[in-house]
Amino acid sequence: DAGVIQSPRHEVTEMGQEVTLRCKPISGHDYLFWYRQTMMRGLELLIYFNNNVPIDDSGMPEDRFSAKMPNASFSTLKIQPSEPRDSAVYFCASSLAPDRVKNIQYFGAGTRLSVL
Amino acid sequence: DAKTTQPPSMDCAEGRAANLPCNHSTISGNEYVYWYRQIHSQGPQYIIHGLKNNETNEMASLIITEDRKSSTLILPHATLRDTAVYYCIVRSKTPFRGNTPLVFGKGTRLSVIA
Repeated sequence: DAGVIQSPRHEVTEMGQEVTLRCKPISGHDYLFWYRQTMMRGLELLIYFNNNVPIDDSGMPEDRFSAKMPNASFSTLKIQPSEPRDSAVYFCASSLAPDRVKNIQYFGAGTRLSVL
Repeated sequence: DAKTTQPPSMDCAEGRAANLPCNHSTISGNEYVYWYRQIHSQGPQYIIHGLKNNETNEMASLIITEDRKSSTLILPHATLRDTAVYYCIVRSKTPFRGNTPLVFGKGTRLSVIA
């Protein structure tokens, strides 16, 4: 398997623009997680899905952030409108349910977002 | 999930064993200890996990104290490619609760020196 695939790897945009980050989880995985990493706050969870259904979105910072998982092989994280403080590396991770295997999360390479 | 405490940074000579400590004094009986690492500009990578017995895999060994209040990750022969931030994470693992997100602390920045 190719692992978790994120696109784009780098995104530079101007304040106020809409940004869409994409994630393809590992085939067959039940869970999908979106994390954000900044120097100030480290790695923090934004939202996660189980079987395409959002389970916990309490980490989503504001209404400007939204995430969808229309099917088991694709998820998006959208920021509209973007602000400079949204600049960060965004990671997507996927895993199987814990009663099937070791409950390991597999991370993508991340999307580095810069909002000017 | 229980909170963990790790030293902010450590150095290790290439070829020597790297021993990374983690304190988790408030760990409860159904909580596992997981270790992940993050190499620069990459996503976090799973290393190993355990409940109360020592564990070993192709990457590392995990030693958990008898009272489970602390653990040590051992990289037996560190290489330059092991330079990374290492995260110790405690989380419950119950099928009925379902999967849970990882809560990352600041981790330990390990520098392997030639």
